[in-house]
Amino acid sequence: AQSVSQHNHHVILSEAASLELGCNYSYGGTVNLFWYVQYPGQHLQLLLKYFSGDPLVKGIKGFEAEFIKSKFSFNLRKPSVQWSDTAEYFCAPRRDSNYQLIWGAGTKLIIKP
Amino acid sequence: EAQVTQNPRYLITVTGKKLTVTCSQNMNHEYMSWYRQDPGLGLRQIYYSMNVEVTDKGDVPEGYKVSRKEKRNFPLILESPSPNQTSLYFCASSLTGLFQETQYFGPGTRLLVL
Repeated sequence: AQSVSQHNHHVILSEAASLELGCNYSYGGTVNLFWYVQYPGQHLQLLLKYFSGDPLVKGIKGFEAEFIKSKFSFNLRKPSVQWSDTAEYFCAPRRDSNYQLIWGAGTKLIIKP
Repeated sequence: EAQVTQNPRYLITVTGKKLTVTCSQNMNHEYMSWYRQDPGLGLRQIYYSMNVEVTDKGDVPEGYKVSRKEKRNFPLILESPSPNQTSLYFCASSLTGLFQETQYFGPGTRLLVL
């Protein structure tokens, strides 16, 4: 069965630090990958997505993610985090069997001011 | 304003007492879905619907029912809730359910079953 793994459940960083959140998925044919974010007290919203083409995808608020096919990875990055990036981040590849998303367990990111 | 709404936002109930969580979207979306979110498990899909009168099981459908009689509404029904259904529930919608579409999420319903 297809699966997704987010390596860190909790990450704590200081402002201006660089961020990389890991996401690995099991291969399921055509690859479509999403990152969603849930800010405290808010609903989930799309951060960025990859379907094809340039493996480096840019999203909102300065986030980017790189699809590395050989490593089955889609890690989320930001060069310099801000306090307002405190949130929970979910990686979600698309499942081949029914086109629904498979959701990672999430990574809670806390940015210390 | 385009949005997905859920009611109630918070609910405390007792084992066995039937309840319904409503979900409504005003974007004329064909696709709607229910998820539950539990710590360390991420989101798990309960049911989804590609259009009116078309529903399919997700990964964790046991103990839940849904109906899709109108395009805008997709209620989640717990006929006989149990404590293991204590969770945070999210409704989501997208235009047609195609994989490349962004899903729009409701604010969540926090359910406690005693």
